[in-house]
Amino acid sequence: AQSVSQHNHHVILSEAASLELGCNYSYGGTVNLFWYVQYPGQHLQLLLKYFSGDPLVKGIKGFEAEFIKSKFSFNLRKPSVQWSDTAEYFCAVNAAGAGSYQLTFGKGTKLSVIP
Amino acid sequence: DAGVIQSPRHEVTEMGQEVTLRCKPISGHDYLFWYRQTMMRGLELLIYFNNNVPIDDSGMPEDRFSAKMPNASFSTLKIQPSEPRDSAVYFCASSFWVGYEQYFGPGTRLTVT
Repeated sequence: AQSVSQHNHHVILSEAASLELGCNYSYGGTVNLFWYVQYPGQHLQLLLKYFSGDPLVKGIKGFEAEFIKSKFSFNLRKPSVQWSDTAEYFCAVNAAGAGSYQLTFGKGTKLSVIP
Repeated sequence: DAGVIQSPRHEVTEMGQEVTLRCKPISGHDYLFWYRQTMMRGLELLIYFNNNVPIDDSGMPEDRFSAKMPNASFSTLKIQPSEPRDSAVYFCASSFWVGYEQYFGPGTRLTVT
C-alpha cells in the first residue's frame, strides 16, 4: 500500500517569507497528487492537484507544487506567505496505476505565520 | 451546489450512548468517504462507498462502528455504544470518480464523556 510522508510537523514563518513543504510518497506507478489545506476549525479544502502533464502545478492563493517523479516528491511552495496562510496542510496521493479508489493522506504540516 | 453537508456539527454524549452522524454528498458524486481526524492519528479513512455500496470498511475501528448509505444522497455513521476514545472530528467527503479530488464536509466534532 502507498504511504505519504510529510517531513515537517510544524513550520513557523514570518510574513513575506518563502514556504516549501515537503511531501514524499512510496508508490512507484502512476499517481494522482493533491494538496489540501485546513484552516483552524474548518474542513479540508483542495489547494491544487496533479494528474498529468506539466509537473509544475499552480493552485489557489498563490500556491504551487512541483511533481518530481524521480524523487517521488510533490513539494508545496509559496514565494511569500501571509498571516492568513496559517493552517494545516495535507499532501494526499492516489495510486491510480494500482486501480486504487482511495486517497492516502500524510500526517499534515501545521504552518504558523507570524505577522 | 451546497457542497457536502454534515449534521450535527457538534455532538456531546455520554459513554455508552448511541451516536449517529449524517452526511449528504454532492449531487452526482458516486463515491462517499468517512474519515476520522484526531491529534494523535491524523486523518484516517474509515469506510467508503461507491454507488451506495460499501467497498472498503477495513478502516472501521471495531464492531461498534457501522455505516450505511441507503440512497445516493444520504449516509450515516453510527457508533454504538460510544466510548471516550471515539472523541474526534468525523468528516464525510464525496468524489465524482476514482482518484479524483474529494470534497469534504464541515465535519462533526464528537465528544464522548
